Amino acid sequence: QFVLTQPPSASGTPGQRVTISCSSNNSDIGGHYIEWYQQVPGAAPKLLIYRNTQRPSGVPGRFSGSKSGTSSSLAISGLRSEDEADYYCSEWDESLKSVVFGGGTKLTVL
Amino acid sequence: EVRLAQSGAEVKKSGESLRISCKASGYNFVNHWIGWVRQVPGQGLEYMGIIYPGDSDTNYSPSFQGQVTISADKSSNTAYLQWTTLKASDTAIYYCARIHGLGNMSFDTWGQGTLVSVFS
Repeated sequence: QFVLTQPPSASGTPGQRVTISCSSNNSDIGGHYIEWYQQVPGAAPKLLIYRNTQRPSGVPGRFSGSKSGTSSSLAISGLRSEDEADYYCSEWDESLKSVVFGGGTKLTVL
Repeated sequence: EVRLAQSGAEVKKSGESLRISCKASGYNFVNHWIGWVRQVPGQGLEYMGIIYPGDSDTNYSPSFQGQVTISADKSSNTAYLQWTTLKASDTAIYYCARIHGLGNMSFDTWGQGTLVSVFS
């Protein structure tokens, strides 16, 4: 099973643009997609980005996803205090019919 | 509105059995995979397994295979996560989540979580 690697922490000041990376060691990247989830303290995770770049209805346009090869990124522009949360990337492993989560990145808004 | 409502917090003793539930509403339950995710307090998300309620096809993460049982009841639109012998290390928050499907394998809806506390 492959591994998704995220930095443990990130930070920014209000209004700034912050990016969080997610690196996969899955060489068979093909058409695999990365999802991003936001987990505010004390709450359940929430889907933020699916299929690398798509935003579910209701997710602000300040959040965007990108993917190149085995590296993906979540970008948050116009950082706000309510963006302080843990962010997780994930990838579906079709061969195992399984989901792999990254270790999570704790975003602090200074 | 798509919603997953989970059962309440549990406090159990090591060695006891437990089943927690996840009741779905607002969509056709049998047509979407439902997964379970564990989160030990202060730690990250761990995928446990998924079930397709339509035919009860189930897949487990190797880390949880043999440790838990995932099931679903189509008549009540409810998915379950079950332990026969709890351990203190099972103490965690457990989330159920729906997979969107149709090529989109994201967890698009999450339950509120069930805290399971197991003491020795």
